Amino acid sequence: EPEVTQTPSHQVTQMGQEVILRCVPISNHLYFYWYRQILGQKVEFLVSFYNNEISEKSEIFDDQFSVERPDGSNFTLKIRSTKLEDSAMYFCASSDRIRSSGNTIYFGEGSWLTVV
Amino acid sequence: QQPVQSPQAVILREGEDAVINCSSSKALYSVHWYRQKHGEAPVFLMILLKGGEQKGHDKISASFNEKKQQSSLYLTASQLSYSGTYFCGTEIRGSNYKLTFGKGTLLTVNP
Repeated sequence: EPEVTQTPSHQVTQMGQEVILRCVPISNHLYFYWYRQILGQKVEFLVSFYNNEISEKSEIFDDQFSVERPDGSNFTLKIRSTKLEDSAMYFCASSDRIRSSGNTIYFGEGSWLTVV
Repeated sequence: QQPVQSPQAVILREGEDAVINCSSSKALYSVHWYRQKHGEAPVFLMILLKGGEQKGHDKISASFNEKKQQSSLYLTASQLSYSGTYFCGTEIRGSNYKLTFGKGTLLTVNP
């Protein structure tokens, strides 16, 4: 079964450093998302992306965050200057957005980011 | 805009039933249910699109009351493998396909 893959699975970084989290969405999907989950809390929406541009972003997704689709398969989340509170599991997700059958969103396994 | 889930946590013995509720203050296009095991990604369970729709597989089913903007997840004859945190995700009418999750319901099934 096709799946969303993410790398790295775990990254430790120093406060102030830049981090890039990578994702390969399901191949025929056109809609991509990043979600974040702080340990023990709910899954929070960060950003959605379609047709090479951001569709919607949350208030969490401030100027230190950016997303990019550098080629035909990868979708990246960059955090420019990490803060301690950025420590979380970051999930990439994708969907085909066929409204008639429902916008099922499939999640990757997550990238666990620890900022020290 | 975040949906409200109840209860926050429930503990069952194997074979018992449970109901998890999800409600929204906004008109909904769809409701999605996911289960997440500790340290893993959320796993899609089902999506409900139309008011009154009920879906299910195995002994897990769900209903969607569009008028009340509510959905309920029913777990029947629970198994140990059902343990995890259940999240409902709601897609609000007119939103740009964004899924917003509730805080989750921690379900623990004991032998």
